[in-house]
Amino acid sequence: EPEVTQTPSHQVTQMGQEVILRCVPISNHLYFYWYRQILGQKVEFLVSFYNNEISEKSEIFDDQFSVERPDGSNFTLKIRSTKLEDSAMYFCASSELGGRSTGELFFGEGSRLTVL
Amino acid sequence: AQKVTQAQTEISVVEKEDVTLDCVYETRDTTYYLFWYKQPPSGELVFLIRRNSFDEQNEISGRYSWNFQKSTSSFNFTITASQVVDSAVYFCALSETAGANNLFFGTGTRLTVIP
Repeated sequence: EPEVTQTPSHQVTQMGQEVILRCVPISNHLYFYWYRQILGQKVEFLVSFYNNEISEKSEIFDDQFSVERPDGSNFTLKIRSTKLEDSAMYFCASSELGGRSTGELFFGEGSRLTVL
Repeated sequence: AQKVTQAQTEISVVEKEDVTLDCVYETRDTTYYLFWYKQPPSGELVFLIRRNSFDEQNEISGRYSWNFQKSTSSFNFTITASQVVDSAVYFCALSETAGANNLFFGTGTRLTVIP
């Protein structure tokens, strides 16, 4: 069964460092997303991406964050200068046709980011 | 503004018992979508169901059933004859767009099924 894959599964970084989280969405999907989950809290929307541009973003997704689809397969989330409060599990997701077909976002297993 | 409330933080049941997870939502839109996701200990988010606001028909899928009631803004999830593998955190979520671009998640209910 096709799946969304994310790397790394866990990354530890020093505050102020740049971090890139990588995702390989399901190959025929057109919409891509990043969500995050601070430990023990709810899952929060960060950004959606379609046709090589951001289609929607939340208040969390400030200038420190950026997304890119550099090579047609990977979908990356970059945090330019990490803060302690960026420590969270980051989930990548993809869907067909904006989710209209099944309404299902396929989530990856997440990348845990720990900022020290 | 959208809001999803899962008042039950944690629930424990003994295997084979039935359990209902509550979800109450708020939205100003007349068109919206409700979801349930399961997050097992491994951490991934597993899609369970989507329901649109025009379809109040209850749904059953094996041991899972969902009760959508617009009058009370609730979308409750029942697991019948619970099993240990059902132990997970369950999230209810709301989207006000057909594309589910922006899912608003509840805080989740941690279900523990005791053998």
